[in-house]
Amino acid sequence: KAGVTQTPRYLIKTRGQQVTLSCSPISGHRSVSWYQQTPGQGLQFLFEYFSETQRNKGNFPGRFSGRQFSNSRSEMNVSTLELGDSALYLCASSSSGGSTQYFGPGTRLTVL
Amino acid sequence: AQKITQTQPGMFVQEKEAVTLDCTYDTSDPSYGLFWYKQPSSGEMIFLIYQGSYDQQNATEGRYSLNFQKARKSANLVISASQLGDSAMYFCAIIDGDSSYKLIFGSGTRLLVRP
Repeated sequence: KAGVTQTPRYLIKTRGQQVTLSCSPISGHRSVSWYQQTPGQGLQFLFEYFSETQRNKGNFPGRFSGRQFSNSRSEMNVSTLELGDSALYLCASSSSGGSTQYFGPGTRLTVL
Repeated sequence: AQKITQTQPGMFVQEKEAVTLDCTYDTSDPSYGLFWYKQPSSGEMIFLIYQGSYDQQNATEGRYSLNFQKARKSANLVISASQLGDSAMYFCAIIDGDSSYKLIFGSGTRLLVRP
């Protein structure tokens, strides 16, 4: 079974731009979660989607948004990028959300 | 609020020896799950092992075992027969039973295996 895939793997943007990251979960998994990892803040939960519905959201500004499609693929969008948004963005999928989450390789975003 | 504490920022171990990575947690929920993940320099988080709060036995997965002491709220990861490929960051994480779908991570422990 194929694992979680994330595209793109690397991204360089400038302040003020917006970015969209994509995540394809493991086949059959309906829950997709997003995390941000930075050296200063560590791993922080962004949001979780299940069957196209956002069930939980972390403590991030409204510039961070996401969605999930009917095939369980998910996208997250960051608008008006700031330097502090530079991070590794990890997507994880699970069968139901409360079960084991399997992570993708991440998208490394650099904001200049 | 749930919290994970990993007090060892970095550790060394000799190849083929066993090593224990510490993890303590705090939660008021009686139903929770504890996870360990490995993150090599490539960045991907690799699931290693899971322990449920109601599990009677300590979890084991190959060379990984979890020393679960519920009363002390600790869930230490034991890696037996360390290999050079075990050099990585290791994260302990908790998820509560029903009301949340988010993993709360500790700050991680960087393990370096010496040949």
